[in-house]
Amino acid sequence: NAGVTQTPKFRVLKTGQSMTLLCAQDMNHEYMYWYRQDPGMGLRLIHYSVGEGTTAKGEVPDGYNVSRLKKQNFLLGLESAAPSQTSVYFCASNGGPTNTQYFGPGTRLTVL
Amino acid sequence: DAKTTQPPSMDCAEGRAANLPCNHSTISGNEYVYWYRQIHSQGPQYIIHGLKNNETNEMASLIITEDRKSSTLILPHATLRDTAVYYCIVFNAGGTSYGKLTFGQGTILTVHP
Repeated sequence: NAGVTQTPKFRVLKTGQSMTLLCAQDMNHEYMYWYRQDPGMGLRLIHYSVGEGTTAKGEVPDGYNVSRLKKQNFLLGLESAAPSQTSVYFCASNGGPTNTQYFGPGTRLTVL
Repeated sequence: DAKTTQPPSMDCAEGRAANLPCNHSTISGNEYVYWYRQIHSQGPQYIIHGLKNNETNEMASLIITEDRKSSTLILPHATLRDTAVYYCIVFNAGGTSYGKLTFGQGTILTVHP
């Protein structure tokens, strides 16, 4: 049982490039989330999903897209990366709205 | 969700109890108090949560005041590995919350030898 995993762990992009971050969970959780964390700050919610095939915007969705084609995977896409998107990205999942949220180890993204 | 106020930093000696306060004076009746911690830029880790009653688990105890306007997270015997940022989050589990958490800046707890 690996919990929540994220791929890749590190990435450096140039401005304007695109990439996809993959989050996978093996706990059969319905709910999944993408957060970003900037230096010295708390986490901010980007997008979330309450089930396969559904997604919704969080607090800071601009510049990101997501997809939840399979229950166990939640993808975060950057179509045209900007330096302001340099951050650490965390994925999380839980089995219900009051359940414990489990977080992945994070992806460190630098946009030059 | 109600706003929370936490001290930016606290120190604790190893082996002593660490008491981390959180003020949530605008909390409403159906909002829970959750605590998470983040160790050195790892993903946040759930610690404990409560609604009205005090709670205890293998990691910590949560004391919620009778008026629910504040709470205290207690780590009974702090170790160096408890050095982390601790987040107090007030969370409405009903309606359209969908489990979304709102993180503040938390309290940096430093445990000293």
